Amino acid sequence: EVQLVQSGAEVKKPGESLKISCKGSGYIFTNYWIGWVRQMPGKGLEWMGIIYPGDSDTRYSPSFQGQVTFSADKSISTAYLQWSSLKASDTAMYYCARRDGGYVYYWGQGTLVTVSS
Amino acid sequence: EIVLTQSPGTLSLSPGERATLSCRASQSVSSSYLAWYQQKPGQAPRLLIYGASSRATGIPDRFSGSGSGTDFTLTISRLEPEDFAVYYCQQYATSSPGTFGGGSKVEIK
Repeated sequence: EVQLVQSGAEVKKPGESLKISCKGSGYIFTNYWIGWVRQMPGKGLEWMGIIYPGDSDTRYSPSFQGQVTFSADKSISTAYLQWSSLKASDTAMYYCARRDGGYVYYWGQGTLVTVSS
Repeated sequence: EIVLTQSPGTLSLSPGERATLSCRASQSVSSSYLAWYQQKPGQAPRLLIYGASSRATGIPDRFSGSGSGTDFTLTISRLEPEDFAVYYCQQYATSSPGTFGGGSKVEIK
């Protein structure tokens, strides 16, 4: 059974750094792109970008280029999303998703990130 | 970057009625790389349709997708109580992130 399990909710202060994770199981982790999707409170879905764990090829959506960093550790089938300096506007639910030719069958459960002073 | 515009923003209907949701792209979507998702409160999205018209595994046949180029439609033939939710279209290519539309909410009238 394919599963994506994300790390737990985080509460951070502005300016702090953060790295959240997404662990894949039930499939060959290096064979599928992993995407990250942001959903701000009460708002729609936004693609942040994608990473190919096989070679760490990364593509960022224009709005997120330079704002976040994707990485992957294929030895433990885990993808990461990180911020070096959080802002209040980063408060959102973040989903990881396994891309199947571009669309998504499998989603993580989401990680809620709250940034507040 | 392709911009997807969904309409209407909110659709108020009764169970048993037909829902027609629109997704318009700012430029042609190649090879019908267009998907539709359903999202309920507190849940991750669920894939309904990919390739513009192919139903995902386990999706009831009351859901159908159509369209090509820049105009796409999701139709729910007869609304069931569990269909009241927010629906998103997404355009994609294998190795680029793609974009989502802003969403259409189907609410109970």
